[in-house]
Amino acid sequence: AQKVTQAQTEISVVEKEDVTLDCVYETRDTTYYLFWYKQPPSGELVFLIRRNSFDEQNEISGRYSWNFQKSTSSFNFTITASQVVDSAVYFCALSEAGSNYQLIWGAGTKLIIKP
Amino acid sequence: DAMVIQNPRYQVTQFGKPVTLSCSQTLNHNVMYWYQQKSSQAPKLLFHYYDKDFNNEADTPDNFQSRRPNTSFCFLDIRSPGLGDAAMYLCATGREGPGQGFNEQFFGPGTRLTVL
Repeated sequence: AQKVTQAQTEISVVEKEDVTLDCVYETRDTTYYLFWYKQPPSGELVFLIRRNSFDEQNEISGRYSWNFQKSTSSFNFTITASQVVDSAVYFCALSEAGSNYQLIWGAGTKLIIKP
Repeated sequence: DAMVIQNPRYQVTQFGKPVTLSCSQTLNHNVMYWYQQKSSQAPKLLFHYYDKDFNNEADTPDNFQSRRPNTSFCFLDIRSPGLGDAAMYLCATGREGPGQGFNEQFFGPGTRLTVL
């Protein structure tokens, strides 16, 4: 069965610190897709990244980076030099090919960046 | 800017009084989704339209219905809202097609429903 685990319910760091949000997934499919979304206090979910199972390259986008490791079924998200505006709930999600477009969501990690 | 719009942003209704939430998009995406999100939880998919084809999740209550009159608009009807239906309702769109895999979804700002 598919499952996404975000073990960190809440993380609090001081501005400018680096922080890593963990995501571990379970799937039996060889073709699947992983996502990260950000939900700031305003409530709108913002797409951050999509990764398919055949692309294990890590990705960097500004202060954001993602580490995809199939060997450990993890897709972790790191924010470098965190800022107060990064405060939000971050969701990791999984979809399998042929899943009728259903996303399996993690429980989310609430990230608090203190000034 | 292309976007997903939801109206109203806040809706208050009475127990048992039907309510309709609306969603429109300018992205010209073929898939539209409705999610329910309760406090401190992940979004829960209620149903989605792939083009005109309606796909209901197995555990979506019959109290929830949806209409998609055209590509741009989608409505969520709650026939008899209960106190447990108070939540944020999120509309999302996606562009999907054969052989494209599963693409990202773009979300609207949500409608927060209060049931008195």
